Amino acid sequence: AQKITQTQPGMFVQEKEAVTLDCTYDTSDQSYGLFWYKQPSSGEMIFLIYQGSYDEQNATEGRYSLNFQKARKSANLVISASQLGDSAMYFCAMREQNYGGSQGNLIFGKGTKLSVKP
Amino acid sequence: DVKVTQSSRYLVKRTGEKVFLECVQDMDHENMFWYRQDPGLGLRLIYFSYDVKMKEKGDIPEGYSVSREKKERFSLILESASTNQTSMYLCASSPGGLAGFPDEQYFGPGTRLTVT
Repeated sequence: AQKITQTQPGMFVQEKEAVTLDCTYDTSDQSYGLFWYKQPSSGEMIFLIYQGSYDEQNATEGRYSLNFQKARKSANLVISASQLGDSAMYFCAMREQNYGGSQGNLIFGKGTKLSVKP
Repeated sequence: DVKVTQSSRYLVKRTGEKVFLECVQDMDHENMFWYRQDPGLGLRLIYFSYDVKMKEKGDIPEGYSVSREKKERFSLILESASTNQTSMYLCASSPGGLAGFPDEQYFGPGTRLTVT
């Protein structure tokens, strides 16, 4: 079974509007972390935002916010006031354990391609 | 800023060749990772290392090996390249150790390898 599911292979959004990218996850761990990465056409993966399973408030980083619904096991990324430069692939990822060292590697979803229209 | 560099952006090799992909990070991170990325499959972990000379298999290690002789450098080796290893290869590093969460991974620019 997939641990991270991103159901939207591609999405369009008008410039300056907000957009939500969906992510659901599957884990039986109590302690885990959720991450979103952006991958522009240049190829580099850029870390955007992080949410810990025990964090009570939704994470925010500038125009990015994470709508974390623990009971539903969803961690949707919200981008406000979309810009043309937001056009990219977006990946949701989860890390299940908070031990250091070799445990708790990132598990990635298959990504959502976001296109921002002028 | 954390910087992760990869030796080549684009590489073309012939079937059967031995291929080395190099990755260097400059932030004294404990953990380093190699992924491959294919359309529709997302990122899949090949190998990772949490210390010098230590390595562990990821999800798809077959056909690959790795080397970590120095903390800052993690090499991916294709012993005998095959056409099904044509892919984008991404290296990443993270603080690791006792960092706990979030321990986010920082990625290099990727190497697009074509095996003909």
